[in-house]
Amino acid sequence: SQQGEEDPQALSIQEGENATMNCSYKTSINNLQWYRQNSGRGLVHLILIRSNEREKHSGRLRVTLDTSKKSSSLLITASRAADTASYFCATYNQGGKLIFGQGTELSVKP
Amino acid sequence: KAGVTQTPRYLIKTRGQQVTLSCSPISGHRSVSWYQQTPGQGLQFLFEYFSETQRNKGNFPGRFSGRQFSNSRSEMNVSTLELGDSALYLCASSLTPGSLPGSDGYTFGSGTRLTVV
Repeated sequence: SQQGEEDPQALSIQEGENATMNCSYKTSINNLQWYRQNSGRGLVHLILIRSNEREKHSGRLRVTLDTSKKSSSLLITASRAADTASYFCATYNQGGKLIFGQGTELSVKP
Repeated sequence: KAGVTQTPRYLIKTRGQQVTLSCSPISGHRSVSWYQQTPGQGLQFLFEYFSETQRNKGNFPGRFSGRQFSNSRSEMNVSTLELGDSALYLCASSLTPGSLPGSDGYTFGSGTRLTVV
């Protein structure tokens, strides 16, 4: 079973709007990571947030982590067509394996 | 600095054959992980290697095997290929095993697209 589950599965917005994706996970974590994948290519690491952090920023990205609710969100502000991609959250399960969710497919229309 | 290099990029094999995929991690990275990605199952963990030792293995049949060399390069092998093995195989590297406290995220290669016919 997946350790992380993203919501929504698909999201379509206009350029300039904000995009929010959510991730829920099952077990306690040391960190949670977000990755982006463009059309069947390799994943790109976006941001890592540790369990003792509540919020982290990187450029137009903002990630929050709520360990009490076992959830995280990724906010992309002022989205661009180039942000069109699949976004995955990933956490380590108790066996030490980095497990990915099914991803959110983001489409940003110009 | 060079990223994670996976070869070949594309591969077409026939059922029953075997295949070897190669991954060269970022210089200095000693941990390599492999994933299989399919539309139906998503990203599935295959193996993790660190300093030539397999640290973790996913729920795949014994036809899937891997190894890591002293220069941290890694290979994975799939024997007796089945149609269902058609997938994008991704390799990722990190300085140390990612599950250790204080580690950073993985750097992924562009993947090897395997098609079994």
